[in-house]
Order: sequence, then C-alpha cells, then structure tokens
Amino acid sequence: AQSVAQPEDQVNVAEGNPLTVKCTYSVSGNPYLFWYVQYPNRGLQFLLKYITGDNLVKGSYGFEAEFNKSQTSFHLKKPSALVSDSALYFCAVRDIANAGNNRKLIWGLGTSLAVNP
Amino acid sequence: DARVTQTPRHKVTEMGQEVTMRCQPILGHNTVFWYRQTMMQGLELLAYFRNRAPLDDSGMPKDRFSAEMPDATLATLKIQPSEPRDSAVYFCASGLVLGSGANVLTFGAGSRLTVL
Repeated sequence: AQSVAQPEDQVNVAEGNPLTVKCTYSVSGNPYLFWYVQYPNRGLQFLLKYITGDNLVKGSYGFEAEFNKSQTSFHLKKPSALVSDSALYFCAVRDIANAGNNRKLIWGLGTSLAVNP
Repeated sequence: DARVTQTPRHKVTEMGQEVTMRCQPILGHNTVFWYRQTMMQGLELLAYFRNRAPLDDSGMPKDRFSAEMPDATLATLKIQPSEPRDSAVYFCASGLVLGSGANVLTFGAGSRLTVL
C-alpha cells in the first residue's frame, strides 16, 4: 500500500540554524514526491517536487529537498531558517505506476515547524 | 497570480441544515479536488474530478455529501444534513495534469465550517 510518513509532529529550530523536516514514503513503483507549506488560515502552497533526475531539488523560499531512493526518503531542508518559515509542512507522493486517470496524491499528516527568534 | 476561489470563507450553521461550498478553479485546469482538513485526521480527500467527470469520491460519506462540477468554472460540495462532526476546513484545489504528468495543485484559502 502507498503511504507517506512524517515522523515528527513538530520541529523547533532557532532562526539562522539549518532546518530539516523529514518524510519517508512507500510506493510500489517510482514516486513523484512533493512538499507543500500551509501558513495559518491559508491553503496549501506548492514548494517543490521530485520527478526524475537530480536527487537534490530546489524550490521556493530557499527550500530544497533530497530524494534518497535507498532510504525511501524525501527530507525538506533549508540552510538558514527564518521566523517567517514557521508553518505546517506536508509531504505527498504519487505512484507514477498508477494506471488510468488516478492522479491522487497520498499526503502525510504534516509537520509543524516553529522557528524561534 | 491565478488563484482558486472558495466561498464562503466561514460558515456557522446548525445541525441538520444544508451547507453548500463553492469553488472556482483556475481557468484551464483540468482536475479539481475537494479535501477536508481536521486536527485529528489531517488532509482527507473527499472527491476528485478530471475534465469535470467525477473520478473518485470514495472518501466522501455518500449519504450526506455530494460533489458536482456543473461547469468548468464551478465545483460544489454539498452537505445535507450537516452534523457537528462535519466541522472542519474544506479545501478545493485545482491542477493541470497532462498525460502522466505530476500534479502541482493550487489550493484555495478554504471554507471553515462549524456545525453547532
């Protein structure tokens, strides 16, 4: 069965420090992987995606994510956290082997990131 | 920037009342999703349309929920009758999927529903 796990409900980091938000996945084939961010009282916003190619993907707002096939992980990273990065982060996966019109994403439960001044 | 528009942003209603939420997807997008977000369950997919045809509504309680796309500019989610457990934030998202392309979804700001 396809699944996504975000093992940390909350991550706390000091402003200026590097941050990592973890995501692991399970799919039967090759994955499409996504990170979205949700600021308070807003909808989710796309940050970045991995389809094929370079394992290090760069996205919006200075975020990047590293695809690791052997560890089935797609951790979100940023070299220097900002207070404004405080938000809820969602990892999602789609199995590209899904046939037909199934374009559903499987979502993690989200990780709340708090960046402290 | 193109955006997905949802109405109402907030709705407070009493148990048993009908609730209709509306979504205007981004022009040209061919897929529309309805999600429900709660603290306990996270993001739950309720319904999914491609080219206005419903493809998957397995996540939706069929006895009280219904989702439609009467035209390409409008998606609706209706709850009748509403119950307190339906209290949540409901998100609409749209995307353009071509072939086996990856979905990048644009979410609306959500409709926060409170059923008393």
